[in-house]
This record gives sequence, C-alpha cells and structure tokens, in this order.
Amino acid sequence: QVQLQESGPGLVKPSGTLSLTCAVSGGSISNNWWSWVRQPPGKGLEWIGEIYHSGSTTYNPSLKSRVTISVDKSKNQFSLRLSSVTAADTAVYYCAREAAGRDGYNHDFWGQGTLVTVSS
Amino acid sequence: DIQMTQSPSSLSASVGDRVTITCRASQTISISLNWYQQKPGKSPNLLIYAASSLQSGVPSRFSGSGSGTDFTLTISSLQAEDFATYYCQQTYSTPYTFGQGTKLEIK
Repeated sequence: QVQLQESGPGLVKPSGTLSLTCAVSGGSISNNWWSWVRQPPGKGLEWIGEIYHSGSTTYNPSLKSRVTISVDKSKNQFSLRLSSVTAADTAVYYCAREAAGRDGYNHDFWGQGTLVTVSS
Repeated sequence: DIQMTQSPSSLSASVGDRVTITCRASQTISISLNWYQQKPGKSPNLLIYAASSLQSGVPSRFSGSGSGTDFTLTISSLQAEDFATYYCQQTYSTPYTFGQGTKLEIK
C-alpha cells in the first residue's frame, strides 16, 4: 500500500517561499507521475502541477511563474516550492500519486495534507 | 483550461435515497473523468475513474456514466457514511481541473 506524507513549515511570511516535501513509502517513486494539489480553507481543489521520476514537469499556468516541483529518487520523495506567496496561497497542500487509467490519469493515493498559512 | 461545472452545488437527501450528481465539461474530454469523495478534514478519496470504472474497495452503490462533456455520479442507496463533498476532475489535458464540489447533506 503506497503512503504519502507531506512535511514542511506551516507558516510562511508574505513574499516568502513555501517549501514542502512529500515522502513516498510502500512503493517506488519511479514509474509514476506525482502531483501537488491545494485546497484553500472552505473551498475547492486546485491542481498545482506534476512531476515524473525522470524530472519532467507540468505546471498549472496560473501558478507557473512561481512554482518549482522537483524529485529526489534516492530519498523516494518529491518537493514543491512556491515563491512570492500571499494570503491567497493559504491552503491545505496535498501530494498525490497519479495512476494511468483506461483513459487519462487519476489520483489514487493522497497524503493527509498539510495546512500552510501565509501571514506575517 | 477546461472548466468543470457540477450541479447541484449542494443537495439534501435521506438514507436510502438514490442520488445523482452531474458534471459538465466546457469541451469534450472523452472519458477522462474522475470522481472523488471528501469528508471534512480528510484527503479526497478516488471513487470512479475513466468515467465509469469503480476504484478498488469502493462500494458498488457508487456508479458513474457519461462521455464527451456530460457525466453523472449516482449513489444507488445512500448510507450514513456517504454524506460528504463530491468532486469531479478532468484529466484529459493539463492543467487538470476539478468541479466546484457538491456537498451532500442529511435531510
């Protein structure tokens, strides 16, 4: 059973950089795409971007100028950096595995999520 | 970006009811449509993938249908544990996008 666990600071100052790591256990980070998804308090889900074990990435254009997703295969983990944060970036951040379905992908395993608050 | 619109945004129902939630895409997405259930304080849980395939471990009272732009999630007989928020998601093209959610509440 694949498990994902997010970690990182829960509080980031405005204009600072949000940094989170997702540790994958129970399976290899190879052979899958991996995503970051966020959810502002009381609101819906927003896909941030994805990374393949090779390092290939795709980002949501709405965040592309501020987002970097990276992978560390030796540690079986991947990371998110979001720069120039504002209060609008306050959200629960989830990491998730992408599974290749019959037609398209789906997110079949998720981390528990971590709340990041942007505040001075 | 492909816009996903769910209806209704909220729904009150009773245990045992049959419930249908609709999701419409702003352009055709074939069957690249997933449904998730999310309970308060929890991560989303995959219910249906590729429009109609039941994820392993998900009760058979959940079913999905549709293709192109119009999709439905049906719960055949509501159980107490089904009261939650449901999201559709398209993975036809990036950026992957979600519907705004449908909150299913107890009547």
